[in-house]
Amino acid sequence: AQTVTQSQPEMSVQEAETVTLSCTYDTSESDYYLFWYKQPPSRQMILVIRQEAYKQQNATENRFSVNFQKAAKSFSLKISDSQLGDAAMYFCAYQITYTSGTYKYIFGTGTRLKVLA
Amino acid sequence: EAGVAQSPRYKIIEKRQSVAFWCNPISGHATLYWYQQILGQGPKLLIQFQNNGVVDDSQLPKDRFSAERLKGVDSTLKIQPAKLEDSAVYLCASSLDGLLTDTQYFGPGTRLTVL
Repeated sequence: AQTVTQSQPEMSVQEAETVTLSCTYDTSESDYYLFWYKQPPSRQMILVIRQEAYKQQNATENRFSVNFQKAAKSFSLKISDSQLGDAAMYFCAYQITYTSGTYKYIFGTGTRLKVLA
Repeated sequence: EAGVAQSPRYKIIEKRQSVAFWCNPISGHATLYWYQQILGQGPKLLIQFQNNGVVDDSQLPKDRFSAERLKGVDSTLKIQPAKLEDSAVYLCASSLDGLLTDTQYFGPGTRLTVL
């Protein structure tokens, strides 16, 4: 069964510094998608970044980048130049694909990121 | 474009009472998802609709939970009767067609407290 593990319940980072959030997953599939979602205190989940497993190049979105290690089944999120607005819960998610072509997400338990001024 | 709308935002009920949540997805989105997010955990998929058909309801406690999406647009999720362990945030999400390259957009959620 596919599982997603986030081993850091909480992380802190100083404003303008860099922080890395960890995520590992378990799957027997060879082609899949991985995601990082951000959930601010208002609780609306927002997509931060996505990675396609067949692409070796790590995805980047402005200050957000991932370190995707397919063999190790590791998918960490790096936030550079941290800002106060980055404070939120961050969820790693793995996409399971049905035979019909539709899909669903399996989420990790989340990492709460605190940004210190 | 308007996002996913949910109501109510908060609901407090006593155990054994009934409650219903409403979701209006982004216009044109065929796929709709209901998640349960218990405090300290990640969202768990309860049910997924493709238009008005159910794709996956394997984790929906069908003895007390029900959901419908009659015209392939709005959806309601009902709990009857509620238990203490149903206290959670219920998130609705939608995506364009539910295919591999799709992205899910989430609503603000409904926080349910069962006393």
